[in-house]
Amino acid sequence: GENVGLHLPTLSVQEGDNSIINCAYSNSASDYFIWYKQESGKGPQFIIDIRSNMDKRQGQRVTVLLNKTVKHLSLQIAATQPGDSAVYFCAHSGSARQLTFGSGTQLTVLP
Amino acid sequence: DGGITQSPKYLFRKEGQNVTLSCEQNLNHDAMYWYRQDPGQGLRLIYYSQIVNDFQKGDIAEGYSVSREKKESFPLTVTSAQKNPTAFYLCASNTGGPAYEQYFGPGTRLTVT
Repeated sequence: GENVGLHLPTLSVQEGDNSIINCAYSNSASDYFIWYKQESGKGPQFIIDIRSNMDKRQGQRVTVLLNKTVKHLSLQIAATQPGDSAVYFCAHSGSARQLTFGSGTQLTVLP
Repeated sequence: DGGITQSPKYLFRKEGQNVTLSCEQNLNHDAMYWYRQDPGQGLRLIYYSQIVNDFQKGDIAEGYSVSREKKESFPLTVTSAQKNPTAFYLCASNTGGPAYEQYFGPGTRLTVT
């Protein structure tokens, strides 16, 4: 089956520093990738997406990079703030509009 | 406000009882999904529905049932056949068009003892 996984389960960064969260996937046929943010006890919130015909997309303080050669996806958060502390999931599209989710990375922002 | 609502936020049941979790959306989305999330893990797909009166099993459908009688509603029943029902349940919806983005509800935490 399809697999989306994360390199590290936890990440701690100093407030104001940049954060980089990584994700590996195995299905080279995937054409759509999404990053979600999930705060404790809440549902995931959409952050940013990228299609397979792109290698970079920028949003507000976030950038997603896609390297199809090595099947790697990353989320960069600029000037990380305490409110960025959450679990971040990558997901990729499958058949019938399904999404396959990774196990998540817990980002902790240190004061 | 448009969005997805799930109720209740916390639910407690005794083992052997069926329980139904509510999911309602007013986004006019065609597709709806149910996921299960266990501590420290990602989301696993239970059931999904792309249109009213139609639904398909996801990766972990055993012990669950759904219905889709209305576009706005996609209730999930956790039956007594589900061996480990305690989990955080998330409902999501999607336009069903070219976008893959799914919008999530706030979740229901089910505890079965």
